[in-house]
Amino acid sequence: AQSVAQPEDQVNVAEGNPLTVKCTYSVSGNPYLFWYVQYPNRGLQFLLKYITGDNLVKGSYGFEAEFNKSQTSFHLKKPSALVSDSALYFCAVRDGPDSWGKLQFGAGTQVVVTP
Amino acid sequence: NAGVTQTPKFQVLKTGQSMTLQCAQDMNHNSMYWYRQDPGMGLRLIYYSASEGTTDKGEVPNGYNVSRLNKREFSLRLESAAPSQTSVYFCASSALGDTYEQYFGPGTRLTVT
Repeated sequence: AQSVAQPEDQVNVAEGNPLTVKCTYSVSGNPYLFWYVQYPNRGLQFLLKYITGDNLVKGSYGFEAEFNKSQTSFHLKKPSALVSDSALYFCAVRDGPDSWGKLQFGAGTQVVVTP
Repeated sequence: NAGVTQTPKFQVLKTGQSMTLQCAQDMNHNSMYWYRQDPGMGLRLIYYSASEGTTDKGEVPNGYNVSRLNKREFSLRLESAAPSQTSVYFCASSALGDTYEQYFGPGTRLTVT
């Protein structure tokens, strides 16, 4: 079975400071990992994904994430946060090709960036 | 290019009433999905359709039915609504294959009283 955990309900950061949103996962095979962002009253938007290859993945809006197999983590990072980055962030995992269609989402982390 | 569209945006039902949520995508995607979003629980998969003509249950299918009408459209039906089905419902689509990201619609906020 696959599962994903986002240990922080909310992350507060000042504008210009680094932003990190944590995600850990559990799968039986090789994971496919995704990050999505949700702005108020909107659907989810894709940010980035790790399928294979380089452990550091770059995505939209200056975000990046690092895949760490030994720690089973896929933390989302941004070097300098903007007020407009305030949103709800979701990590999601798929347990490789044997769990087709079944993307497991974390509970979400609310990011609040203050001016 | 509208992406994924959903109707209606809001709906209030009484317990026992039925309704169908509509979803359409214009990206020529083979795969479509229905999720529900509840506070503190992330998104949970209700049903999905890997390709036109196929549908499969997700994590929380009870109380729902789906129809993949054609490649563009995937509807979700509540036959007898219950207060536990109060939620925000999202439709999504993706290219065929498990490495592809999903594209989401704007959601339908459903309240069952």
